Amino acid sequence: DIQMTQSPSILSASVGDRVTITCRASQSISYWLAWYQQKPGKAPKVLIYDASRLESGVPSRFSGSGSGTEFTLTISSLQPDDFATYYCQQYNNYSWRFGQGTKVEIK
Amino acid sequence: QVQLVESGGGLVKPGGSLRLSCAASGFTFSDYYVSWIRQAPGKGLEWLSYISGNGDITYYADSVRGRFAVSRDNAKDSLYLQMNSLRAEDTAVYYCARTAGDSTGYPTLFDYWGQGALVTVSS
Repeated sequence: DIQMTQSPSILSASVGDRVTITCRASQSISYWLAWYQQKPGKAPKVLIYDASRLESGVPSRFSGSGSGTEFTLTISSLQPDDFATYYCQQYNNYSWRFGQGTKVEIK
Repeated sequence: QVQLVESGGGLVKPGGSLRLSCAASGFTFSDYYVSWIRQAPGKGLEWLSYISGNGDITYYADSVRGRFAVSRDNAKDSLYLQMNSLRAEDTAVYYCARTAGDSTGYPTLFDYWGQGALVTVSS
């Protein structure tokens, strides 16, 4: 089974900061990766798919990069609405596993 | 607009059974894979199962294979999850999610989610 590891688990940041979250796969998943945002008590919302494609309606301050085993989600200028938990998810080889999540909190 | 609404959650004793439903609207239900995903209290997301558009392909995570069964009724635009032999560790919010497919039809990411149904397994 492919394991997904996110870092950091918690990230403290201020409005306007550039924020980067990393997701590592235990084996190559090509670019078969999505990123989700989840706010407390709500369902997750997809932000990025195929590692770097922005989902329709998602602000351009969100971007994704990477391939193989290492991926990043970047928020170019953190906004108040962005404080949430972020998950990566791989969809390679009949496995749909999520990372453990990264909580972005107010510094 | 796309909507998914789960129902059927509640309190059940260990070893018991429960059936969740998910009512879909706003899209051609039979054209899509749909999945079940859960989230234990304060924990991360765990994909459980998916079913193909016509119901002939199903897939399960190891943690629920043999205990849970996914099904769908395209005439009713509805998805189901029959959960048997429930354990305390099955306590979670259960989400249904529309599942996008790549050019070959392989299920990929979860593009629309329901609001979730809470299942509590406790004596």
